[in-house]
Amino acid sequence: QVQLQESGPGLVKPSGTLSLTCAVSGGSISSSNWWSWVRQPPGKGLEWIGEIYHSGSTNYNPSLKSRVTISVDKSKNQFSLKLSSVTAADTAVYYCARGLVLATPGYYYYYMDVWGKGTTVTVSS
Amino acid sequence: SSELTQDPAVSVALGQTVRITCQGDSLRSYYASWYQQKPGQAPVLVIYGKNNRPSGIPDRFSGSSSGNTASLTITGAQAEDEADYYCNSRDFGGGTKLTVL
Repeated sequence: QVQLQESGPGLVKPSGTLSLTCAVSGGSISSSNWWSWVRQPPGKGLEWIGEIYHSGSTNYNPSLKSRVTISVDKSKNQFSLKLSSVTAADTAVYYCARGLVLATPGYYYYYMDVWGKGTTVTVSS
Repeated sequence: SSELTQDPAVSVALGQTVRITCQGDSLRSYYASWYQQKPGQAPVLVIYGKNNRPSGIPDRFSGSSSGNTASLTITGAQAEDEADYYCNSRDFGGGTKLTVL
């Protein structure tokens, strides 16, 4: 059973870079999945940040694309998020998740079936 | 702002049926997936694809889709179904807070 665990600093200074890692256990990061980051500001809804395939292909939320980098480390079976130039608006619970994309005639399936428990990141001086 | 639109809040009487909807252009080519989130917890996938439930999700949860609208239906809502529900096709809807009366 695949499990995901986020880790990283809980406090980041304004204008700094937020860095998080998601460790994958019980399965391989080289499986046919997209590995995603999702965040949730306090009291607000979910926001998709972006995703990576084990080949290194990435997709990012256009609203964050200029500040986001997602990378994969197959040797450590983990993937990472970097978000630069952070402000208080980036304060949130950050989740990593396993995604799957399937193509059928006329439609795509896209869903995230395994989630980490989330880690809280606060941007403050 | 989200490109998927959901009603902010919906209520249902215990044991009754409720439908939560999600609208967006991406739903013309993507089946929506639906997530349940309770306070302080990570989201949980409840419906994906045309109408598929992951293992462990009760069969009172079902999904449907027509045009640019996806729906999550709970038939015979239980007290434990009170939660926030989000639709997704990479982007997330704004979420619907379900209250079970």
